[in-house]
Amino acid sequence: GENVEQHPSTLSVQEGDSAVIKCTYSDSASNYFPWYKQELGKGPQLIIDIRSNVGEKKDQRIAVTLNKTAKHFSLHITETQPEDSAVYFCAATPYNFNKFYFGSGTKLNVKP
Amino acid sequence: ETGVTQTPRHLVMGMTNKKSLKCEQHLGHNAMYWYKQSAKKPLELMFVYNFKEQTENNSVPSRFSPECPNSSHLFLHLHTLQPEDSALYLCASNAFYPSSQGRAQYFGPGTRLLVL
Repeated sequence: GENVEQHPSTLSVQEGDSAVIKCTYSDSASNYFPWYKQELGKGPQLIIDIRSNVGEKKDQRIAVTLNKTAKHFSLHITETQPEDSAVYFCAATPYNFNKFYFGSGTKLNVKP
Repeated sequence: ETGVTQTPRHLVMGMTNKKSLKCEQHLGHNAMYWYKQSAKKPLELMFVYNFKEQTENNSVPSRFSPECPNSSHLFLHLHTLQPEDSALYLCASNAFYPSSQGRAQYFGPGTRLLVL
């Protein structure tokens, strides 16, 4: 089955700096890659996703890049703010298969 | 908040109790999931239902019993649980199509379960 690895497990940045979280996957059949943000006491919330036919996607301060050849994808947050502090999860799922494989999470701390 | 609701939000139960967790999605999805989230562990998939039919049981102990009466509702019946079952139980839903369109999975807020 698919194996998703996520790094780093914790990340501390100064407000205004950029943050990058990286994930790798093992199954070349995976073609959909969502990212989730989980705040304390809440369920994970989808923040951005990317399909395998696209190399990059942006939504305001958030962007995701995908390298299919190397089987890795990354989340980029620019101009970080204290409210970006949360745990971020990446996931991968193969085409036509209803099972999501999650990374172990990255705890992001944005210091004011 | 998302279109996926879960009740109760917090539950404390003894090892001999029987309780049920409820999930409801208002998004018109046809697939629903139960996940277990323990401290410092990745999300663990427990069950998947597509169009009310169970398509995945990830080797979950029989003390957890899911039920999906329709595409909008999902239950997790709990009995004779162990302290190590204490965790956050998350429900999720998505629209399962043959293509990769519209596959985003949406989560509920979770039920924080403590087994004494």
